[in-house]
Amino acid sequence: QKEVEQNSGPLSVPEGAIASLNCTYSDRGSQSFFWYRQYSGKSPELIMFIYSNGDKEDGRFTAQLNKASQYVSLLIRDSQPSDSATYLCAVNRRDSGYALNFGKGTSLLVTP
Amino acid sequence: IAGITQAPTSQILAAGRRMTLRCTQDMRHNAMYWYRQDLGLGLRLIHYSNTAGTTGKGEVPDGYSVSRANTDDFPLTLASAVPSQTSVYFCASTASPGNTEAFFGQGTRLTVV
Repeated sequence: QKEVEQNSGPLSVPEGAIASLNCTYSDRGSQSFFWYRQYSGKSPELIMFIYSNGDKEDGRFTAQLNKASQYVSLLIRDSQPSDSATYLCAVNRRDSGYALNFGKGTSLLVTP
Repeated sequence: IAGITQAPTSQILAAGRRMTLRCTQDMRHNAMYWYRQDLGLGLRLIHYSNTAGTTGKGEVPDGYSVSRANTDDFPLTLASAVPSQTSVYFCASTASPGNTEAFFGQGTRLTVV
């Protein structure tokens, strides 16, 4: 069983709406949480990281972390067609030298 | 070189052949990783190295080996390729293990026939 779970989607939202992406993880000892974006045929690129409970905002993106519930989310405000991509949640795993453990990703489609 | 570079970008390989995927970074990052990405399975860790001279096994290490002779290079070797190793392979690096941004290479698309 994958230790980082995401809904595979696709998640479809209209342009200008808020997209909400969710992720749960199983290792309570995880300390670092990341959201990556991956366009088809390209490498993953970092959008945000979060280490502490609560919200962290960066432009149109907000990451939310709740360690008690083992839950991480990413909100994208004013979604644009260029946001259409696969979003990968990643959590550091203590049993593999703190390498990032990725969820399978959620496909987001923003329709004009 | 700027960042992390993989070679080749794509390869078709006959089953049973030996193949080394190359990965080089110029950021002086301590930690490096190899992942494979398959449709429906996401990114899975093959091997990792937290510092030059050390390596460790990830989630799917069977059939693969790595070495880390210096900080910059982290080659991945398939000793005898099998069709199930057909995948897109990504090399990544972080300044320190796990708690900083991971930078990815452009990927190697490998097809084993």
